[in-house]
Amino acid sequence: NAGVTQTPKFRVLKTGQSMTLLCAQDMNHEYMYWYRQDPGMGLRLIHYSVGEGTTAKGEVPDGYNVSRLKKQNFLLGLESAAPSQTSVYFCASSQLQGLPFDEQYFGPGTRLTVT
Amino acid sequence: GQQLNQSPQSMFIQEGEDVSMNCTSSSIFNTWLWYKQDPGEGPVLLIALYKAGELTSNGRLTAQFGITRKDSFLNISASIPSDVGIYFCAGPYFGNEKLTFGTGTRLTIIP
Repeated sequence: NAGVTQTPKFRVLKTGQSMTLLCAQDMNHEYMYWYRQDPGMGLRLIHYSVGEGTTAKGEVPDGYNVSRLKKQNFLLGLESAAPSQTSVYFCASSQLQGLPFDEQYFGPGTRLTVT
Repeated sequence: GQQLNQSPQSMFIQEGEDVSMNCTSSSIFNTWLWYKQDPGEGPVLLIALYKAGELTSNGRLTAQFGITRKDSFLNISASIPSDVGIYFCAGPYFGNEKLTFGTGTRLTIIP
């Protein structure tokens, strides 16, 4: 199992350009998440999905859109990139098992720079 | 969202030293989690705590769920070079659908 994979690993965009980050998981997990990580701020939730065809806003959703057309894939889109979106983006997935907590498994991250 | 504050923000220690860090919240959590992020990687779950007062170990790591349910502590004994990284506390909210993360403690080992 590859677990959670993200493409691309690095990207440089110019202000106003668009791009899509792809997250894929092979663990048949129901839940998927997109976070951004900025220095001194931990990880902040952008959007998440509780199943195929569903999406929901997280803590910092502005400027981003997401889609979950297939259970194993979760796409994060930036329609018009801004320098404030320079960050490291992490995807995660988890399976609802009815436990006190469902562990989230993280991908390796995508480092995005917007100039 | 709920805020989790971690301290210290960074630590510079020598190999073999013990490490202590903590996480505090303005809200009560029913579960506390500790993640570690190696350089250039995504976070990985180290320890999960489910009950106030609980003390749980994972090798040289020991974590405690505070009695007030508003804090948690992580200790690392006899640090080794592979302990370098960022340690995050986290807690689930809105049921188990979402996690809120602390600001992180960056651990550096001085040769």
